[in-house]
Amino acid sequence: SQTIHQWPATLVQPVGSPLSLECTVEGTSNPNLYWYRQAAGRGLQLLFYSVGIGQISSEVPQNLSASRPQDRQFILSSKKLLLSDSGFYLCAWSVQGFEQFFGPGTRLTVL
Amino acid sequence: SQQGEEDPQALSIQEGENATMNCSYKTSINNLQWYRQNSGRGLVHLILIRSNEREKHSGRLRVTLDTSKKSSSLLITASRAADTASYFCATDDSWGKLQFGAGTQVVVTP
Repeated sequence: SQTIHQWPATLVQPVGSPLSLECTVEGTSNPNLYWYRQAAGRGLQLLFYSVGIGQISSEVPQNLSASRPQDRQFILSSKKLLLSDSGFYLCAWSVQGFEQFFGPGTRLTVL
Repeated sequence: SQQGEEDPQALSIQEGENATMNCSYKTSINNLQWYRQNSGRGLVHLILIRSNEREKHSGRLRVTLDTSKKSSSLLITASRAADTASYFCATDDSWGKLQFGAGTQVVVTP
């Protein structure tokens, strides 16, 4: 069966520090991968999606970036965090045209 | 911008009652999906309805889709305390990208 992992579960970082969030998927090949951010009490905002290794599409211009170094690994990064980067970050995978499966999320607080 | 808009924003009911929430969207869709999110957790897929379908059932869930009105509804029958969660509709485009609404927060009291 397929599983999706995200870590860390929670993170508190100072403004200006770097960020690296990791997401890995097991049990499937060549999935579409997605990074979302959810502000408190709000819906999900799609940040990046990837249809293959090294293929990243950005939905929202900002100081975040994403990379897909392996088929089932998706990384969200920042060189310098802003206060506005605080939120709940969710990784998801899908086979195109069907439902998305979400990881447990990372709660990021930037102080 | 958000494609789906859920209504109401919050809903409080007692166990055994039915809960109905609605979703409206703006542009043509391939599919419409409903997800549930328990507090502080990831989203869980509930049901997918294709643009050529009008109604779909899954257990205690019933989803309708009216493409002429660009709207969908999710009905949870005989609600339970465990149904307490936020519910989101999401529409997808031809690339499989989803756009989520802001969600309906449902509280079911025993």
